[in-house]
Amino acid sequence: DGGITQSPKYLFRKEGQNVTLSCEQNLNHDAMYWYRQDPGQGLRLIYYSQIVNDFQKGDIAEGYSVSREKKESFPLTVTSAQKNPTAFYLCASTKGPGYGYTFGSGTRLTVV
Amino acid sequence: GIQVEQSPPDLILQEGANSTLRCNFSDSVNNLQWFHQNPWGQLINLFYIPSGTKQNGRLSATTVATERYSLLYISSSQTTDSGVYFCAHHQGGSEKLVFGKGMKLTVNP
Repeated sequence: DGGITQSPKYLFRKEGQNVTLSCEQNLNHDAMYWYRQDPGQGLRLIYYSQIVNDFQKGDIAEGYSVSREKKESFPLTVTSAQKNPTAFYLCASTKGPGYGYTFGSGTRLTVV
Repeated sequence: GIQVEQSPPDLILQEGANSTLRCNFSDSVNNLQWFHQNPWGQLINLFYIPSGTKQNGRLSATTVATERYSLLYISSSQTTDSGVYFCAHHQGGSEKLVFGKGMKLTVNP
């Protein structure tokens, strides 16, 4: 079955470390997205990519970086510049305009 | 940006009851979608509904774009309907999907 796989489900980061969250989809979707969700809050867009080798900043891109070298993969790096990284991170993809979004099961990142 | 108001913010129901969730928008919106987030965090797309009405089992949704609102109907609610419901729309003509703050539904057995 097609879907989006996020890994790991839980991730612990020490102060000053960079960590990379994985997002892989086998839906043949062109567009992929990274959202951040804080407790009791809605989702905020970090980065998105509409095509391979191209991506745009969302509303809260500071302290994050992404790459889109393959259509199937859109990894997110949380850098040490992100001062409050503890959150739930969700990856999504869509075929394009006029289609719904499919989400992965998320990664919970905690700073220790 | 467009303001999104979801109501009610929280709702507690007994199993078997019906409910209506509402999203109001401050301006016309594009490509409206409804999502359900279960207690474990998984987000499921319920409807892509830019206008009109769609039904899927016990759920149905209606968007009246000219009046800037969308409704999600849940009939004969079950405990598995518990979670947070979000409406979301595309910002302007972009690919950016913007979410409302969500509405928490608790269905008690």
